[in-house]
Amino acid sequence: LAKTTQPISMDSYEGQEVNITCSHNNIATNDYITWYQQFPSQGPRFIIQGYKTKVTNEVASLFIPADRKSSTLSLPRVSLSDTAVYYCLVVASNSGYALNFGKGTSLLVTP
Amino acid sequence: SQTIHQWPATLVQPVGSPLSLECTVEGTSNPNLYWYRQAAGRGLQLLFYSVGIGQISSEVPQNLSASRPQDRQFILSSKKLLLSDSGFYLCAWRGTRIEQFFGPGTRLTVL
Repeated sequence: LAKTTQPISMDSYEGQEVNITCSHNNIATNDYITWYQQFPSQGPRFIIQGYKTKVTNEVASLFIPADRKSSTLSLPRVSLSDTAVYYCLVVASNSGYALNFGKGTSLLVTP
Repeated sequence: SQTIHQWPATLVQPVGSPLSLECTVEGTSNPNLYWYRQAAGRGLQLLFYSVGIGQISSEVPQNLSASRPQDRQFILSSKKLLLSDSGFYLCAWRGTRIEQFFGPGTRLTVL
């Protein structure tokens, strides 16, 4: 599984856009990029996935450049309830799509 | 709709005692099933995954084992618990899409 690197922590104010960038230099051709959110004492929750270019859903956007060696999760207009740990993961079909979690990015949103 | 159950929610066990954690999924067939552990202050660690009945892949050598006796049942076991087995145990399932859905977790404390 490709290793991912992302900032340990980020701070933001309510209403701002937050961009979390993740690097995955060793991503393989058949790998997908996924992002999860985790609150304390809960299991992670899927946010978004992508293979290349841009993906948008009702929660976030995911930007993936052509070389796919990095990705950026964009959270528009964050609120206090977006305070959580965000994980960037590379998922491979040949490992049963198992998730190799790193330490994630701890996002703190303040008023 | 699909639902994932884990029990017990919390467990306190002495060192050297056995362990059995159960996970069941409803509303889907032939899911991929996963066990993860999150030690205090650390990220999630993949322990086992299963793509079918009786098929178990182990990711980390340890004193834990997993079994899948039925399509939608996944069991995590240990014959003798260690202090280092303390943590938050999460079961997850995956259907035909890439995203995984996590259960409520079991908080295990080994004393």
